[in-house]
Amino acid sequence: SQQGEEDPQALSIQEGENATMNCSYKTSINNLQWYRQNSGRGLVHLILIRSNEREKHSGRLRVTLDTSKKSSSLLITASRAADTASYFCATDARGSTLGRLYFGRGTQLTVWP
Amino acid sequence: SQTIHQWPATLVQPVGSPLSLECTVEGTSNPNLYWYRQAAGRGLQLLFYSVGIGQISSEVPQNLSASRPQDRQFILSSKKLLLSDSGFYLCAWSPLGGGKMNTEAFFGQGTRLTVV
Repeated sequence: SQQGEEDPQALSIQEGENATMNCSYKTSINNLQWYRQNSGRGLVHLILIRSNEREKHSGRLRVTLDTSKKSSSLLITASRAADTASYFCATDARGSTLGRLYFGRGTQLTVWP
Repeated sequence: SQTIHQWPATLVQPVGSPLSLECTVEGTSNPNLYWYRQAAGRGLQLLFYSVGIGQISSEVPQNLSASRPQDRQFILSSKKLLLSDSGFYLCAWSPLGGGKMNTEAFFGQGTRLTVV
């Protein structure tokens, strides 16, 4: 299965601290994406990193990708209470043009004010 | 700009009743369309995807079916719901017409289905 697996399942931190979430996957990919989901809502795309990229930044987000280890990490710096949500990684199979994404179970992040 | 509409937001249905969830996309043409299901506290499971009108692929065998009667309309159906069909259903689209790769998916707000 392509499915990504996030680690940890739950993370609880104070505002201002950094939050790091990890994702591992099993097979070759076109890209790896991170999404955010507020409780009971749809998913919002955060960042996409291609298989030939190693690091990418977007605002307070930093994503790394290690294709040799089949793993990725999402770092949220200077976290805020509004960052509280579930975060999912999703993989897109190498060579596919179908856009099928395989999601992990997510990391529930709680940021305390 | 592109938008995706999914309805209803919540639905409570008895076992054995039919189901129809609708999803429409505006502001784009020839999108790839997807139905995902999310069980409580779990990740998303891809149920169906479609690369064009009338073209539906199923990822997992189940009690559900999907149809794409128009380019930007995707419908999830069941003739007889089971208790195990309860969950959070999400429709999504991506701009992958023409064989593009490396694009994100855009999700609707989801439908919470409870089968009782």
